[in-house]
Amino acid sequence: NAGVTQTPKFRVLKTGQSMTLLCAQDMNHEYMYWYRQDPGMGLRLIHYSVGEGTTAKGEVPDGYNVSRLKKQNFLLGLESAAPSQTSVYFCASSLTLRGSSGNTIYFGEGSWLTVV
Amino acid sequence: SQQGEEDPQALSIQEGENATMNCSYKTSINNLQWYRQNSGRGLVHLILIRSNEREKHSGRLRVTLDTSKKSSSLLITASRAADTASYFCALLSGTYKYIFGTGTRLKVLA
Repeated sequence: NAGVTQTPKFRVLKTGQSMTLLCAQDMNHEYMYWYRQDPGMGLRLIHYSVGEGTTAKGEVPDGYNVSRLKKQNFLLGLESAAPSQTSVYFCASSLTLRGSSGNTIYFGEGSWLTVV
Repeated sequence: SQQGEEDPQALSIQEGENATMNCSYKTSINNLQWYRQNSGRGLVHLILIRSNEREKHSGRLRVTLDTSKKSSSLLITASRAADTASYFCALLSGTYKYIFGTGTRLKVLA
């Protein structure tokens, strides 16, 4: 009963280093998302994907790249980490969002990233 | 911004009391969801209300939606210490993504 799994859970990076956050879901969901959460800012959407091979920019995409090569995986990359990217990152997925019925969004447990 | 804004930002109540938090938004929506986040954890879905619904119940939770005022409220009745968490509204507004509000931090004192 894994749901949405994120790795790593904690990471400390030096400014300028690169890293990739991995997200995997086992619910056969079409949609996947990466959010960042900062104190007083709520959750902000970085990038999202509406299906395998597709990606799109969210509210705060600068400094991040993503890939969705397989339906179950959504990778978030930081090419050159900056202290402003210190945050908690959440991956999420949903079956579909089409129409007014909407769908529940399932979240991972978060990845704490510190850039020094 | 389409972002929902929760009010109050923080709320502290005694166990057994009711807790009410509000979400206001600026654009038309398809539906609105409420999520709970325990400290250090991911968000968990609580309830969804569609734009053509006015009220929804789930256990001790009651959600209302007033599209004319562009606002929603979440009522937790007979609160428990375990209800201590942050609560977020999330808006689906005609696109393929949800936008989350800034959250209400609820503390229930035993």
